[in-house]
Amino acid sequence: DSGVTQTPKHLITATGQRVTLRCSPRSGDLSVYWYQQSLDQGLQFLIQYYNGEERAKGNILERFSAQQFPDLHSELNLSSLELGDSALYFCASSVSPGQGVEAFFGQGTRLTVV
Amino acid sequence: ILNVEQSPQSLHVQEGDSTNFTCSFPSSNFYALHWYRWETAKSPEALFVMTLNGDEKKKGRISATLNTKEGYSYLYIKGSQPEDSATYLCAYNNNDMRFGAGTRLTVKP
Repeated sequence: DSGVTQTPKHLITATGQRVTLRCSPRSGDLSVYWYQQSLDQGLQFLIQYYNGEERAKGNILERFSAQQFPDLHSELNLSSLELGDSALYFCASSVSPGQGVEAFFGQGTRLTVV
Repeated sequence: ILNVEQSPQSLHVQEGDSTNFTCSFPSSNFYALHWYRWETAKSPEALFVMTLNGDEKKKGRISATLNTKEGYSYLYIKGSQPEDSATYLCAYNNNDMRFGAGTRLTVKP
């Protein structure tokens, strides 16, 4: 158990809908990363937060948004869902934003859009 | 956009063989390079974090080296075992953390 909790574990929803994925980082970790893993693809970096502020942005679609709350949990909002958004979404956390600090991954949320 | 490349894409070895994979990354503005092990149906687990040119890290039968001047890192597995079968990911850590596509290792008994 990495100490990073993601909910829900599985989510099935219809095209056009909106969903929220939640991530609780390890105790003491201030930085949260979100990644998307589509079928046969690697981990695509979406966005990173540090202590409530957006730190870095990757290949995140405009239909997606995220935030980190004062209690440091983070939510990834996916709207106007398309079939191609079906993927495994991982969150990872670390003490600080980088430069040699280990990041720990949650178990992921598997999103299926039908 | 940073490019992190890993080779080979997949590798099949016999139990007992030693093997190695490569991770290439931009050599400018280097901060850290991470190696992760990712088993099917699980989440990635950190193996090593490397920051200094010439760094060598070891954990059991697995070791890694780092060359920041030329932008590559090698991961070695000595005497591969079936339980080593997994995807091995490297990640270039600057402000964010970007992963390569991974090397999928299969160790046959």
